[in-house]
Amino acid sequence: AQKVTQAQTEISVVEKEDVTLDCVYETRDTTYYLFWYKQPPSGELVFLIRRNSFDEQNEISGRYSWNFQKSTSSFNFTITASQVVDSAVYFCALPRLISSGSARQLTFGSGTQLTVLP
Amino acid sequence: SQTIHQWPATLVQPVGSPLSLECTVEGTSNPNLYWYRQAAGRGLQLLFYSVGIGQISSEVPQNLSASRPQDRQFILSSKKLLLSDSGFYLCAWQRQVLDYGYTFGSGTRLTVV
Repeated sequence: AQKVTQAQTEISVVEKEDVTLDCVYETRDTTYYLFWYKQPPSGELVFLIRRNSFDEQNEISGRYSWNFQKSTSSFNFTITASQVVDSAVYFCALPRLISSGSARQLTFGSGTQLTVLP
Repeated sequence: SQTIHQWPATLVQPVGSPLSLECTVEGTSNPNLYWYRQAAGRGLQLLFYSVGIGQISSEVPQNLSASRPQDRQFILSSKKLLLSDSGFYLCAWQRQVLDYGYTFGSGTRLTVV
C-alpha cells in the first residue's frame, strides 16, 4: 500500500521568511515518481515539480527548491523569501499503477496550508 | 501546447436533479483521463479513470458515472444527486507514454442543496 504523509497541517510565516514543507512517503515500488502541487484559493491544482526515484539530485528553481532523500523516504519543498502570493495549500503526491497500461492513481498527502503574512 | 478545459466552474443543484460535468483536452491524443473529487478537508479521491474511448474504470462505488464518448472528452454524470455529492470535482489528463505527468483542470465546485 502507498501512503503520503504531510505532518504539517498549517504553517504561517511572515513575508520574506524561508519555509520548508515536509513530505514522507511509503511505497513498495522500486522505481517511482513524486509530485508537488499547489492549490491556491481558486482551487486549481497547479503542478510544481516531478522527480523520479533514480534522481536524488536536489533541484532549485527560482525561489523553490526540493530535497529528495530516498534513504529517509522524504521529499521536502522549500520556498525561499516567501511572498504573500505563495499562500496556498501544497500537496505532495505519489503515483500508483492501477491498470495494465499506464494509468496511475495519485495518492495525495493531506496537504499543508501555507499562509504568508505581509 | 496541451490544455485542459473543465466546465462549469460552479454549480448549485437541488437534491434529486441530474448532473453533467464536462472535461476536454486539447493538443494531445489518447490521453489517460481522470475524475477526482475533493471534499471539505482537502482529501482528494479518485472516482473514475479512462485509458481510451468507451473504457471507464471506477475506483469507488457511488452515485456517479463517467463516459468517454471521444478521445479527448470525459464526462461525469449522475441521474439523481445526493447531498453527499457536494464537493470540488477535478478532471485530469496524463500522457500514456514518455512520462507520467498529470495535469489538472480548473475544477467544478458543486453544491447540492
